[in-house]
Amino acid sequence: QKEVEQDPGPLSVPEGAIVSLNCTYSNSAFQYFMWYRQYSRKGPELLMYTYSSGNKEDGRFTAQVDKSSKYISLFIRDSQPSDSATYLCAMSAGGNQFYFGTGTSLTVIP
Amino acid sequence: GAVVSQHPSWVICKSGTSVKIECRSLDFQATTMFWYRQFPKQSLMLMATSNEGSKATYEQGVEKDKFLINHASLTLSTLTVTSAHPEDSSFYICSAGGQGYQPQHFGDGTRLSIL
Repeated sequence: QKEVEQDPGPLSVPEGAIVSLNCTYSNSAFQYFMWYRQYSRKGPELLMYTYSSGNKEDGRFTAQVDKSSKYISLFIRDSQPSDSATYLCAMSAGGNQFYFGTGTSLTVIP
Repeated sequence: GAVVSQHPSWVICKSGTSVKIECRSLDFQATTMFWYRQFPKQSLMLMATSNEGSKATYEQGVEKDKFLINHASLTLSTLTVTSAHPEDSSFYICSAGGQGYQPQHFGDGTRLSIL
């Protein structure tokens, strides 16, 4: 079983839709959770960083962590064509070891 | 803040050439830097973790003599692909940070094409 599971998609939504991206994990020691956005031929860009359970909001983006279910989500409100990218979840128990999902490819259609 | 610069962004060279890729943390000190390889439409594959002033830790299956990593300062790590061959062609990405509770911050990657 992989440490982190993420549906690769592809996911295609109309402009203005609410997008929900999700990851599940198996290691209950994970405490730090990240979402990255990666455009084609670019490095991943940190979008959201959360610690332990709960919600965090930043503009149109909301990150949710449910440690009891080992499930994290990223919601994008009022999606824009510029949100079209691959979204990677990542998590860590602390220290130097990070575990990445395989990424979900998102296309927002104008 | 937390900007990581990677250079060059794209390099094309002949088989047998050695290629050096630089990764710099511009506005913070990075005791730890990471090097990844990414194939098209695939996720990141960790190659090695480098710590300033010490030898890098390579992931299983990554040839140490092929991919030389140097992390001589708190703001610079380099990856040298020695005697590169077409199968080494890939997208290489570095990141910095990731210590303790800090997230990793990535460079923009280097597209390496070996002819």
